[in-house]
Amino acid sequence: DAGVTQSPTHLIKTRGQQVTLRCSPKSGHDTVSWYQQALGQGPQFIFQYYEEEERQRGNFPDRFSGHQFPNYSSELNVNALLLGDSALYLCASSSLGQGNYGYTFGSGTRLTVV
Amino acid sequence: GQQLNQSPQSMFIQEGEDVSMNCTSSSIFNTWLWYKQDPGEGPVLLIALYKAGELTSNGRLTAQFGITRKDSFLNISASIPSDVGIYFCAGASSGNTGKLIFGQGTTLQVKP
Repeated sequence: DAGVTQSPTHLIKTRGQQVTLRCSPKSGHDTVSWYQQALGQGPQFIFQYYEEEERQRGNFPDRFSGHQFPNYSSELNVNALLLGDSALYLCASSSLGQGNYGYTFGSGTRLTVV
Repeated sequence: GQQLNQSPQSMFIQEGEDVSMNCTSSSIFNTWLWYKQDPGEGPVLLIALYKAGELTSNGRLTAQFGITRKDSFLNISASIPSDVGIYFCAGASSGNTGKLIFGQGTTLQVKP
């Protein structure tokens, strides 16, 4: 049973560019959350998707957007990249029936902005 | 905004020793979670606490949900080399289902 799959694992982008990160949730999960983890810090909540809609959003600018597809997979898009966007981006999936705390995290996408 | 203060920031201990780390918040949480993160991996849930005063064990790990709802601690007994990693506390508030607030992590190193 595959867990949460994220792609790509590593990515290097230039300041000002746009990036799309992808996440496939664990089988049986219908909710996807995205977190940003800067080096040496704990993960910070970006937003959560359920039934293809953004349910909740953290304190991130509109440059960060997302999407959830009918198969529950999700994308995180970041526009106009800044150097400060360099971080590990984590996707976590869960089932709404588990109260959203039965999170399974993926291994993340390491984004470097140069 | 909500913040979690996790301490200590790092620990270097001898194999076999017990470890204790804690997390405090300026806000009340209804759920406390403890995660472990290994290099190059995402966080893995160790223990979940849902009730103030609750004490829960998972093998050599024990965690408690503080009665004030503003703190939690994690103990690891008889540490072994594979306990090495970064431990994070995370809290969630009522009405904010799904949004976790993480601490800054405690880095644990175990000397064989």
